[in-house]
Amino acid sequence: SQQGEEDPQALSIQEGENATMNCSYKTSINNLQWYRQNSGRGLVHLILIRSNEREKHSGRLRVTLDTSKKSSSLLITASRAADTASYFCATGGYEDTGRRALTFGSGTRLQVQP
Amino acid sequence: DTGVSQDPRHKITKRGQNVTFRCDPISEHNRLYWYRQTLGQGPEFLTYFQNEAQLEKSRLLSDRFSAERPKGSFSTLEIQRTEQGDSAMYLCASSPLAEWSIFGSGTQLSVL
Repeated sequence: SQQGEEDPQALSIQEGENATMNCSYKTSINNLQWYRQNSGRGLVHLILIRSNEREKHSGRLRVTLDTSKKSSSLLITASRAADTASYFCATGGYEDTGRRALTFGSGTRLQVQP
Repeated sequence: DTGVSQDPRHKITKRGQNVTFRCDPISEHNRLYWYRQTLGQGPEFLTYFQNEAQLEKSRLLSDRFSAERPKGSFSTLEIQRTEQGDSAMYLCASSPLAEWSIFGSGTQLSVL
C-alpha cells in the first residue's frame, strides 16, 4: 500500500507561475524525500527533509514538513516547461523503521504550459 | 560509472514466456533495490540487496519472480511464466550509506 498520498493528482500551470504539491503520510518518519520522474524515465532525487526540520530550500524548490499533521509540501517557484513531470514523495529508508526501501505516494502530474 | 544502468529498456513478450532484466548499480553502492511501477502509480518495492545478500522481499514478489546479485555487483530480476498483470516498468535503484536512492531508467515490460 502507498504510504504517502499526493495532492493534487494533476496540476496544470503557466510558465513562470508557482506550483505547490502536497503529500500526506501515515506513520512516523525520520525523513521524507521528493523525487521527480519524467515520462517513461527513472526517478531523480530532488530533496530530503528530516523530521527535525520544518523547511528546506534547494534552488527553486522549497519543501516544508509538518510532522504533527503528517504532511509535506513541495513548492516549485517560477516554473519552467522543463519542470513538466510527475513528482512523488517518499518515506522510509534505512533509519526509519529498519525497512530499507522507500514507500512512494501515487504522485502529482505537473504540466507547465509554455 | 555515471549512473544506474538497466537493460533492456523495453521488453515485449508473450504470456507464459520467461524474461530477465539486468541492473548495473553505481559501483560503490552496496545497496540495490528493485521496484515495480504501473501507469499512474508510484513505484512499489519488490526486493532489496545489501551486497550479495537478499535481505528483504515484498509480498508482491511471487514465486514466479527471482532476483540475484552475484558477488554484490550487478543484479538480475527474472520473471517466469509471465502474465499480463506483470506488465509494468521495473526500476532498479542503488544507494550509498545515505538515505536517498539513485534510480535507473527502468525496463518497460509489456506482456501480450
